[in-house]
Amino acid sequence: AQSVTQLDSQVPVFEEAPVELRCNYSSSVSVYLFWYVQYPNQGLQLLLKYLSGSTLVESINGFEAEFNKSQTSFHLRKPSVHISDTAEYFCAVTPFSGGYQKVTFGTGTKLQVIP
Amino acid sequence: DTGVSQNPRHKITKRGQNVTFRCDPISEHNRLYWYRQTLGQGPEFLTYFQNEAQLEKSRLLSDRFSAERPKGSFSTLEIQRTEQGDSAMYLCASSSVVAGSYNEQFFGPGTRLTVL
Repeated sequence: AQSVTQLDSQVPVFEEAPVELRCNYSSSVSVYLFWYVQYPNQGLQLLLKYLSGSTLVESINGFEAEFNKSQTSFHLRKPSVHISDTAEYFCAVTPFSGGYQKVTFGTGTKLQVIP
Repeated sequence: DTGVSQNPRHKITKRGQNVTFRCDPISEHNRLYWYRQTLGQGPEFLTYFQNEAQLEKSRLLSDRFSAERPKGSFSTLEIQRTEQGDSAMYLCASSSVVAGSYNEQFFGPGTRLTVL
């Protein structure tokens, strides 16, 4: 079984400041890793994913995350946040497998960008 | 392709009533998933279909819950004799199936259920 821990339920940050949202996972098998974003009253959108290869992955809107296997972490970072980044962010994992891939989510981190 | 759609977006009901939600997946996707998201929590898996076959159900899916996907296209999730603890956002997702590869799940906007 897999589990995901997001220790920070809320992260307030001033506009244009850097931010890091932390994610740690536990799994007995290799996993794929994801960050999803949820804007108010909307569904989940995939922000970025780590499947294989380079451990640093980037999104189109300036977020990046680094897979650290030894620390079982996949922290999300952005060097300069915008008001529009205010949303809830979910870290998630799914096991490597050829069959059904059950996604396990963390409890989410609400990013509040302060003008 | 309009993405995954869910109806209704909001539902308010009285305890004890039955409710039904609908999910229309992306047209070429043959897998469909239901999740529940309560306040302050991440989405939790409820069940999934491959075509019309329901292949897995979570222990969260009590006997009052039933899901169908009769023609392998849209799906319905019914909750009978609703309880206040059923109040949550119900999310639907769909994906294609490519053997040996990661199959991204695309999420709908969700149906928010409030049980009074």
